[in-house]
Amino acid sequence: DTGVSQDPRHKITKRGQNVTFRCDPISEHNRLYWYRQTLGQGPEFLTYFQNEAQLEKSRLLSDRFSAERPKGSFSTLEIQRTEQGDSAMYLCASTRMTGITIYGYTFGSGTRLTVV
Amino acid sequence: AQRVTQPEKLLSVFKGAPVELKCNYSYSGSPELFWYVQYSRQRLQLLLRHISRESIKGFTADLNKGETSFHLKKPFAQEEDSAMYYCALSGLEGNTPLVFGKGTRLSVIA
Repeated sequence: DTGVSQDPRHKITKRGQNVTFRCDPISEHNRLYWYRQTLGQGPEFLTYFQNEAQLEKSRLLSDRFSAERPKGSFSTLEIQRTEQGDSAMYLCASTRMTGITIYGYTFGSGTRLTVV
Repeated sequence: AQRVTQPEKLLSVFKGAPVELKCNYSYSGSPELFWYVQYSRQRLQLLLRHISRESIKGFTADLNKGETSFHLKKPFAQEEDSAMYYCALSGLEGNTPLVFGKGTRLSVIA
């Protein structure tokens, strides 16, 4: 296992198109997180899963954003009807939680989205 | 609500000089604080967390609950320390996602 993988690394899309990103977490990690990072800002939390359950989605930026983790392994983040303001780096992270103990997050390299 | 403040966008120091990257936080519960580092063209990496009280690459950070701070320190900066540093906060209860500050770019000048 080589860590958290994200695909694609870069995506250029036309405004109005839908895009989907994939994240493969570290296999033994039960928690998976999505973040967005724009230039000059720290990562901004979007949503997270424990196994296949989405525990928090109120911070998804709009109803155009949705995420799934159907089998508790990989996850997808979809943006519908993309806008230029969606251009950003989308980061995925995973971690292991046992009881109430949570370990440090491991981040992927991210998917850079450019909406033209 | 959680909030992390890193007041400096850029910090430039000379090689061998001490470094202090400031971080203040706001959180009503029991906080867990982290420092993450991002070297050029690399992914975010965990540098240290307050709960483990480790020293990584010569960096240390002490959680000061009275001042709600978690400043990152290193006595002698090295050129390879040049990177983007992010302070982050979650709740010890484990149900609070990690919230990041805006980051401080550290530039170590030879």
